[in-house]
Amino acid sequence: EIVLTQSPGTLSLSPGERATLSCRASQSVSSNYLAWYQQKPGQAPRLLIYGASSRATGIPDRFSGSGSGTDFTLTISRLEPEDFAVYYCQQYGGSPLFTFGPGTKVDIK
Amino acid sequence: EVQLVESGGGLVQPGGSLRLSCAASGFTFSRTSMNWVRQAPGKGLEWLSYISPSNSPILYADSVKGRFTISRDNAKNSLYLQLNSLRDEDTAVYYCAGQGGFGELNYWGQGTLVTVSS
Repeated sequence: EIVLTQSPGTLSLSPGERATLSCRASQSVSSNYLAWYQQKPGQAPRLLIYGASSRATGIPDRFSGSGSGTDFTLTISRLEPEDFAVYYCQQYGGSPLFTFGPGTKVDIK
Repeated sequence: EVQLVESGGGLVQPGGSLRLSCAASGFTFSRTSMNWVRQAPGKGLEWLSYISPSNSPILYADSVKGRFTISRDNAKNSLYLQLNSLRDEDTAVYYCAGQGGFGELNYWGQGTLVTVSS
């Protein structure tokens, strides 16, 4: 089973600051099938990044993804008020087919 | 506009059954792999089941294998999840989600709440 670990658990930052979120896999993620999601309270998750580094449709360019193999990063270059949320990474293709990380909460400092 | 609308959630006793539905529109449902994902109150996301456009393969998480059954009707643009032998720990919001070419879940419904309690 591929286990995803996200760090930190909580990130306290101010608007305008840079956020760096980490996702580490217990085994190599095949073909960089790694995605990132944003979830706000009471809402469904929203796809931000797929294929480790491609932005989904309509996602602002302040969101970027990088990494390969077992280490991946989501960067938010300048936090906007609407970016404070929980972020999940997700891998595809292992066993089980999909796994999600436990999430990183980005809250206002 | 892409829409996924889940229905069928509610309160059920332990050991009971429910059938969840997901109505899709705004994309080519018959060519899209579909999944069910759930989120227990205050917890993270858990993938449950996958179904290909042609109904094969079908895959399940170990936590629901043998109790839940995924199905689809491409003519009706609909996805289903039959939940049997429900347990307290199955209490969650259940989302249907459409899959893209890199294994990403690019379409999500608003979720339907299933509460298992006596």
